[in-house]
Amino acid sequence: GAVVSQHPSWVICKSGTSVKIECRSLDFQATTMFWYRQFPKQSLMLMATSNEGSKATYEQGVEKDKFLINHASLTLSTLTVTSAHPEDSSFYICSARDLTSYGYTFGSGTRLTVV
Amino acid sequence: ILNVEQSPQSLHVQEGDSTNFTCSFPSSNFYALHWYRWETAKSPEALFVMTLNGDEKKKGRISATLNTKEGYSYLYIKGSQPEDSATYLCAFLKQGGKLIFGQGTELSVKP
Repeated sequence: GAVVSQHPSWVICKSGTSVKIECRSLDFQATTMFWYRQFPKQSLMLMATSNEGSKATYEQGVEKDKFLINHASLTLSTLTVTSAHPEDSSFYICSARDLTSYGYTFGSGTRLTVV
Repeated sequence: ILNVEQSPQSLHVQEGDSTNFTCSFPSSNFYALHWYRWETAKSPEALFVMTLNGDEKKKGRISATLNTKEGYSYLYIKGSQPEDSATYLCAFLKQGGKLIFGQGTELSVKP
């Protein structure tokens, strides 16, 4: 079945540094990728939608200059948390939509801790 | 604001018990409702995509029903097993292909 590989699975970084999270669709073309964030005891919250070759669309309240999304190929989307602060510590997960099946396949998530 | 609510938040049952949980969602502008099973450190696994009012889908011991007019879906697990322990998520599909998730129901099945 469809697989999305997300890396890293966890990362610890210092305040002020940037962190890049990658999601790759391994056996299908992901024309659309969705990025979510989850705080403890809360639901997965959609941050942005990225379409291959175009600019990402951000949800209300999500800073596009802080969370840079690149979807330059049909199999790779990246989320870069720039100038990270402790309040950015969270669980980030991607989801890719496969247009041939209309299914959504998720990565396994990244636990970010900013110290 | 579009709200998707799941209840209960957590559930502890004994092996062999049958259980069910609820997902409520807006009844207007319905496209589909998704159910996922999410084990710790793994990717959420798709269980069902429900699209039609009155739909009932089954996968082994797990089944789901859908009522789009009143805005709810039930997930049933018959004869729970320890390997069913996971968080079960429902998600409302809105226009543009965006999934809006509930908080999930965390199921723990004790042997």
